[in-house]
Amino acid sequence: EIVLTQSPGTLSLSPGERATLSCRASQSVSSSYLAWYQQKPGQAPRLLIYGASSRATGIPDRFSGSGSGTDFTLTISRLEPEDFAVYYCQQYESSLWTFGQGTKVEIK
Amino acid sequence: EVQLVESGGGLVQPGGSLRLSCAASGFTFSTYSINWVRQAPGKGLEWVSYITSSSSTIYYADSVKGRFTISRDNAKNSLYLQMNSLRAEDTAVYYCARGRRDSGYGCFDYWGQGTLVTVSS
Repeated sequence: EIVLTQSPGTLSLSPGERATLSCRASQSVSSSYLAWYQQKPGQAPRLLIYGASSRATGIPDRFSGSGSGTDFTLTISRLEPEDFAVYYCQQYESSLWTFGQGTKVEIK
Repeated sequence: EVQLVESGGGLVQPGGSLRLSCAASGFTFSTYSINWVRQAPGKGLEWVSYITSSSSTIYYADSVKGRFTISRDNAKNSLYLQMNSLRAEDTAVYYCARGRRDSGYGCFDYWGQGTLVTVSS
């Protein structure tokens, strides 16, 4: 089973700042099957990025994804007030879907 | 508009059973693979089960294999999760989530609002 480890656990930033979130896999992941989600309190997760770098429908271009192999990154270029939330990476391989433990982006 | 609406959650004793439902609308349900994903209170996301459009292929997480059964009724645009031998660690919000077809169903593009299952005596 591929384990995804996200860092940092919490990121304290101010609106307008750049956020860089990391997702490291225990073994190589196909870029086609690496996704990122945003979850706000009391809400379901929302797909942000699929295929490591493609934005889902309706996602603003301040969100971008990059990486390959075992190291992936979600970047929020300039934080808006609505971006403060928990972010999860997720991968699929061999009939098993796994998530990272999440990174909370909080207001500093 | 794509909508997924879960129901059937509630309080159940350890060892008991519960059946969750997910009603789909706004898309051709019979042509998509669908999943159940859960989230324990204050914790992260855990994939639970997957079913293809025709029910020909089904997968389960090891944590629920042999206890949970996923099924669907394409005529009713509905997905189900029969949960037996429930344990305290099954306590979670259960989401149904549509697989993203153009990504080989490797991720989930639409989610329901979730239904809470609490296993406690």
